[in-house]
Amino acid sequence: NAGVTQTPKFQVLKTGQSMTLQCAQDMNHEYMSWYRQDPGMGLRLIHYSVGAGITDQGEVPNGYNVSRSTTEDFPLRLLSAAPSQTSVYFCASSYSGTGGHEKLFFGSGTQLSVL
Amino acid sequence: GENVEQHPSTLSVQEGDSAVIKCTYSDSASNYFPWYKQELGKGPQLIIDIRSNVGEKKDQRIAVTLNKTAKHFSLHITETQPEDSAVYFCAAAISNFGNEKLTFGTGTRLTIIP
Repeated sequence: NAGVTQTPKFQVLKTGQSMTLQCAQDMNHEYMSWYRQDPGMGLRLIHYSVGAGITDQGEVPNGYNVSRSTTEDFPLRLLSAAPSQTSVYFCASSYSGTGGHEKLFFGSGTQLSVL
Repeated sequence: GENVEQHPSTLSVQEGDSAVIKCTYSDSASNYFPWYKQELGKGPQLIIDIRSNVGEKKDQRIAVTLNKTAKHFSLHITETQPEDSAVYFCAAAISNFGNEKLTFGTGTRLTIIP
């Protein structure tokens, strides 16, 4: 099993450009989420999904869109990149086997720089 | 919303000594407290977790303690080894059987000195 796969690993954008960060998992997890990691700020939740067709906002959703058309994929779209979106982005998934969606499995991250 | 504070931000210990990382949370309704380890260039990985109905949990050299009254919980690593060097994150959540949202601390960079 590959687990949670994120692409690309690195990306440089110019202000105003758009792009999609890809995330795929092969563990049949119903829950998927996106976090951004900034120095001194830990991990902050951007958007999450509890199943195909269902998405919701996290702590810092502005400037990002998501959709969940399949159980496996959960792409994150930056509509018009801004320097404030320079960060490391992590996708995570989990299952409800233990009664909740707490135990997260993370991908290896995408390092994004917006110039 | 929930606020999680984590201390210290950096910690250096001699190999073989113990390391302790502390977190406090603000929402008394939080009942699930995981710890994640992030190695360089990788995503965080769950290493241990505890629920509010338990005061302590151990897994080999790692233990977590929880004080609900004081709203703080701690990670204890004994007999530290070089491979323990990493960034550690605590988190808190209200376990809601389907809609949990973890709030993370700001991380502790642990360095084991050989």
